[in-house]
Amino acid sequence: DTGVSQDPRHKITKRGQNVTFRCDPISEHNRLYWYRQTLGQGPEFLTYFQNEAQLEKSRLLSDRFSAERPKGSFSTLEIQRTEQGDSAMYLCASSRREDEQYFGPGTRLTVT
Amino acid sequence: DQQVKQNSPSLSVQEGRISILNCDYTNSMFDYFLWYKKYPAEGPTFLISISSIKDKNEDGRFTVFLNKSAKHLSLHIVPSQPGDSAVYFCAGSDGSGNTGKLIFGQGTTLQVKP
Repeated sequence: DTGVSQDPRHKITKRGQNVTFRCDPISEHNRLYWYRQTLGQGPEFLTYFQNEAQLEKSRLLSDRFSAERPKGSFSTLEIQRTEQGDSAMYLCASSRREDEQYFGPGTRLTVT
Repeated sequence: DQQVKQNSPSLSVQEGRISILNCDYTNSMFDYFLWYKKYPAEGPTFLISISSIKDKNEDGRFTVFLNKSAKHLSLHIVPSQPGDSAVYFCAGSDGSGNTGKLIFGQGTTLQVKP
């Protein structure tokens, strides 16, 4: 059990650029979540996958955000035309059931 | 509408004593509650969870108590150790859509003094 991994760990980009983050969940975890955390706040839910199906998206996920989980394994989160307000820690989590979720180390995004 | 609230931003306790972290919620549809510990620049680490139909769950030094009528839960750490110093988040698992998405509180920073 290698844990949830995320890549990259840090990303600095200029406003208007596109960025893509990757998450590799714990193997055999069919549930995968993306959250966003800003300073002084708890993580906020963005989207949920069960296997390859994206079953829920938060209102926080504007049209500039898209997430995929091809083949139900790794997932990607893309942000198009980044804005300074997108600066945050992006967290991925996976689980097999509702009473536990295991988080990755996060990707810290800074938009300049 | 903040569904999960941690009203104490910080808590300081002496090593060896009990740490009690509190959490209140408003959403009756939560079917599980989870506690996480977070160090700076790392992802949250899962500690313990409790089903909404239980009132207590224990795992080693960690015990979570749930008072459903008061919509209140607490995490007890006994004995507290300096390595427990971190930010603690409680979260409710939203059972309404069967997604298990978590709604987090704002966190409480625990400092355990040697």
